[in-house]
Formats: sequence, structure tokens, C-alpha cells
Amino acid sequence: DIQMSQSPSSLSASVGDRVTITCRASQGISNYLAWFQQKPGKVPKLLIYDASTLQSGVPSRFSGTGSGTDFTLTISSLRPEDVATYYCQNYNSVPPLTFGGGTKVEIK
Amino acid sequence: QVQLQESGPGLVKPSGTLSLTCAVSGGSISSSNWWSWVRQSPGKGLEWIAEIYHDGGTNYNPSLTSRVTISVDKSKNQFSLRLTSVTAADTAVYYCARGWRYYGSGSVFDSWGQGTLVTVSS
Repeated sequence: DIQMSQSPSSLSASVGDRVTITCRASQGISNYLAWFQQKPGKVPKLLIYDASTLQSGVPSRFSGTGSGTDFTLTISSLRPEDVATYYCQNYNSVPPLTFGGGTKVEIK
Repeated sequence: QVQLQESGPGLVKPSGTLSLTCAVSGGSISSSNWWSWVRQSPGKGLEWIAEIYHDGGTNYNPSLTSRVTISVDKSKNQFSLRLTSVTAADTAVYYCARGWRYYGSGSVFDSWGQGTLVTVSS
């Protein structure tokens, strides 16, 4: 199975800060990587797929980069409504589909 | 806009069987999508359980495959999950989700149900 690891597991940043979350795959997955946002008590929401393609309706302050084993999700200017846990997901092959452990983003 | 709605018992006894159904509305379960179950234990991350295509094709998480069955009912536009021999470790919010994929890839989940909490307890 391909393992997905995220870092950091949590972070605290100020409104307006640039925030970067890293996701690493245990083996190469090309660009078959998605990012999800899960606000407290809510359903996961697809933000980015194919490592860098923004899902329709997602604000442009979110961006994704990477290919192979190393990926990043960046929030260019953190807003209070971005408080959430962010998960990466590998869809290079199935089974299984695997998620990272999550990164909790809070406001300082 | 497709909508997914999970239903099923919120409480299951240890060693019993968890059964959930996901009703799909606003779209056809016979579309070119895969339909998945994903769970989230309290305070934990996301775990993919299984997926099914309308022609009956299935994929299972190897860590659960001996206890899981996923099925589809095209006439009712719904799919179901059955998990046997449950323990407290199976307590989680269970989500159903729609996935699309490229040829040869896995699924990207673009629509999710609201989730249903299933507690395993006597």
C-alpha cells in the first residue's frame, strides 16, 4: 500500500499569513493527488485534484504543487474561514485509496 | 447537483453487523462514477472502506476486506455497506461519496453525504 504522510500535524498562523502544508507519498504517484478541507463538524470538501487543479468554486488563495512523492498545499493569505483540517489523498491506484493523517490549521 | 444521504442504525452491538445505505438523488447511480464508503473515527482521520461501480465491479480496502461487502441497487438508485463482526474500533462517522476517475487511476471524491455516526456498544 502507498502510505501518505502530512506535515505538520497542526499549525497556528495569523490572518493574512502564507500557510504551506506538505504531503509525502511512500512511492511515486505521478500527480494523482487530491486535497480536502474539513471544517469542524462538517463534511470533507474537495479543494484540489491532479495535485494542482482547483475544484470549481474554490477560492484562488488555495494552490497545490508537486509530482511524484512530494506535494504541497498553500494558502496564500490565511482567512478565519480557512480554519479546518486538511487532508491529502492518493488516487494513483486502487485498492486501497489512502489519505494523509491530516493537518489542523488554526488562527493565532 | 447530486446529493447523497446515508441511513442506517446508529447503534450496533459488538460482534454484530453494521448495515448502511446511501441514497443517491439528483443523478444516476448508473453514471460513469464509482461509489464509495469512507469512515472517520472520532477525532481521527479518513479511512476509505470500499467502492462499487454500477456494473457490480468492486474494490475493497485490504485491511477490511474479510468483513466488508458493498452492493448496489440500481432500481432504487442506492448502494449499501455491510460490515460484520464489529468492535468498538468500528465506531465512526460513515460517509458515502461519489468518485470520478481517469482510466487506470483511483477515485477522486467530489460529492459526499452528510455522514452518519455509528456507535458499536452493548
